[in-house]
Amino acid sequence: NAGVTQTPKFRILKIGQSMTLQCTQDMNHNYMYWYRQDPGMGLKLIYYSVGAGITDKGEVPNGYNVSRSTTEDFPLRLELAAPSQTSVYFCASSYVRGANEKLFFGSGTQLSVL
Amino acid sequence: AQSVAQPEDQVNVAEGNPLTVKCTYSVSGNPYLFWYVQYPNRGLQFLLKYITGDNLVKGSYGFEAEFNKSQTSFHLKKPSALVSDSALYFCAVPTGGGNKLTFGTGTQLKVEL
Repeated sequence: NAGVTQTPKFRILKIGQSMTLQCTQDMNHNYMYWYRQDPGMGLKLIYYSVGAGITDKGEVPNGYNVSRSTTEDFPLRLELAAPSQTSVYFCASSYVRGANEKLFFGSGTQLSVL
Repeated sequence: AQSVAQPEDQVNVAEGNPLTVKCTYSVSGNPYLFWYVQYPNRGLQFLLKYITGDNLVKGSYGFEAEFNKSQTSFHLKKPSALVSDSALYFCAVPTGGGNKLTFGTGTQLKVEL
């Protein structure tokens, strides 16, 4: 069972470059989430999706975009990378809404913007 | 707004001793509360959740959490700590109508021999 798979695991970007962080889950979960983790700041929600074709902003959406064309995939797009986006990014999923169900997390993508 | 706070950045405890990782909450209505653990270079893993009922919730790896309504706390506990329990611990509360989880800032637990 793969669970939640994130790629790549590590990436270094130059300022202004763009990239897509991939996230896929094989558990047929409706809810998917993108968090970023900065030291001492906990996890901050970037975007989330309650099902294919439906996305919504979290706490820190600026500089990011998402799409949800299938139940399995929830890619996160950085269009113009900035040093402030240096962080560890986690994708997560749950079958029902977060209040009632545990989240399953991927192993993370460590991104550095230089 | 629903929120949780973890007042300690780090907790140190000797192996075999009991451990407590603190969490307080600010929630309107009946709270749903969660604990997650993050081992080095890994994603978060679910430990336990409180929805309603017994104030002592048992979870994975021998952990339990005590819900205290009068003190608005949800502290994570374990009777006897192991070195392998060393990790980053997060409490969390549902927000956005229950569609998402908001996490505390995390507490680093270090268990020493």
